[in-house]
Amino acid sequence: GQNIDQPTEMTATEGAIVQINCTYQTSGFNGLFWYQQHAGEAPTFLSYNVLDGLEEKGRFSSFLSRSKGYSYLLLKELQMKDSASYLCAVRDGDYQLIWGAGTKLIIKP
Amino acid sequence: DADVTQTPRNRITKTGKRIMLECSQTKGHDRMYWYRQDPGLGLRLIYYSFDVKDINKGEISDGYSVSRQAQAKFSLSLESAIPNQTALYFCATKGAGASGELFFGEGSRLTVL
Repeated sequence: GQNIDQPTEMTATEGAIVQINCTYQTSGFNGLFWYQQHAGEAPTFLSYNVLDGLEEKGRFSSFLSRSKGYSYLLLKELQMKDSASYLCAVRDGDYQLIWGAGTKLIIKP
Repeated sequence: DADVTQTPRNRITKTGKRIMLECSQTKGHDRMYWYRQDPGLGLRLIYYSFDVKDINKGEISDGYSVSRQAQAKFSLSLESAIPNQTALYFCATKGAGASGELFFGEGSRLTVL
């Protein structure tokens, strides 16, 4: 079956760094996405990885290892507004998106 | 104004009632999607449409139907609502860029009593 795993909840301190992991098992791979979703709001696109390695975009970076079925989202210099859920999604071999349940990130002062 | 607009934003209804959720977009995208989101679960695809004449079932289409009235409009209907259809529903469009990321509407929270 197809499966995406990510931690349910994480807590971090304002100003710190946090890494949110995502592991996946899918029938084929055509890219991995990270989305941010604030409570009660729509998901918004953060990053896309299709090749192995690190993609950096400001305070956010996303890493992919296709051989390990693994990605992480790295958030630096955490701000209170980063409190949100972070959704990992994989585009499988049929170009269908498989979604993880999301990681709720709580930022404490 | 939002590029992807959903109406209504909140709706409470009773079992057996017919409900329509509407979605309109100004992004000019051909591909549109309806998802539902439940606590503790990933987004699940209900229906998707590649253009006005191309509509496809997603993984959880039972109990739902859709209509693509125009490139910009994609409606989701629950013909006879039941309590386990209580959820947050999102409409999305797909960008034409290399990544093809999704652009989501604000969501429609539906409660079926």
